[in-house]
Amino acid sequence: KAGVTQTPRYLIKTRGQQVTLSCSPISGHRSVSWYQQTPGQGLQFLFEYFSETQRNKGNFPGRFSGRQFSNSRSEMNVSTLELGDSALYLCASSLQNGFSGNTIYFGEGSWLTVV
Amino acid sequence: DAKTTQPPSMDCAEGRAANLPCNHSTISGNEYVYWYRQIHSQGPQYIIHGLKNNETNEMASLIITEDRKSSTLILPHATLRDTAVYYCIGMFSGGYNKLIFGAGTRLAVHP
Repeated sequence: KAGVTQTPRYLIKTRGQQVTLSCSPISGHRSVSWYQQTPGQGLQFLFEYFSETQRNKGNFPGRFSGRQFSNSRSEMNVSTLELGDSALYLCASSLQNGFSGNTIYFGEGSWLTVV
Repeated sequence: DAKTTQPPSMDCAEGRAANLPCNHSTISGNEYVYWYRQIHSQGPQYIIHGLKNNETNEMASLIITEDRKSSTLILPHATLRDTAVYYCIGMFSGGYNKLIFGAGTRLAVHP
């Protein structure tokens, strides 16, 4: 069974550009969440989607957005990139509806460098 | 979500048991305790989770105190590949799969 797949794995963007990252959850998983990891702030929750609806959002500016498609695949977008957006972006998926006791699996992440 | 406290670093000799503690004194009755680890900034790897009973799987054992204010992750026979940052996280029921990561414990396994 394939794990959580994230593309691209590595990318370099210029300040002011935008970027779209993609995540394919484990087959059958309907919950997808996104995290940002930086050396200074650690791992931080961005948002979570279930059945194409955003149910929870972390404390990030509106430049960070996401969506989920009917096949549970998800994308996140960062507009007007800043140097501080350089980070490892992680996607995680889970089978169930947010009930405690779910097992949440992470992908290997997308490394974004903003220059 | 419960705030968790972990020691910043620990050492363990290869082949010995690694016991990683976690304090979660504010945990509520329906919060599970999750453990993940991260190696060299790869994606976090799920290890184990539990509510109030001790749990064991092929990777580790989780011992939760009766009052649920603390827990210990046990890697029974640590190997060099277990060197990683280990995170203890409390997740609230209905928390929409939102994991709040702290700084974790950096475990170094040495020969």
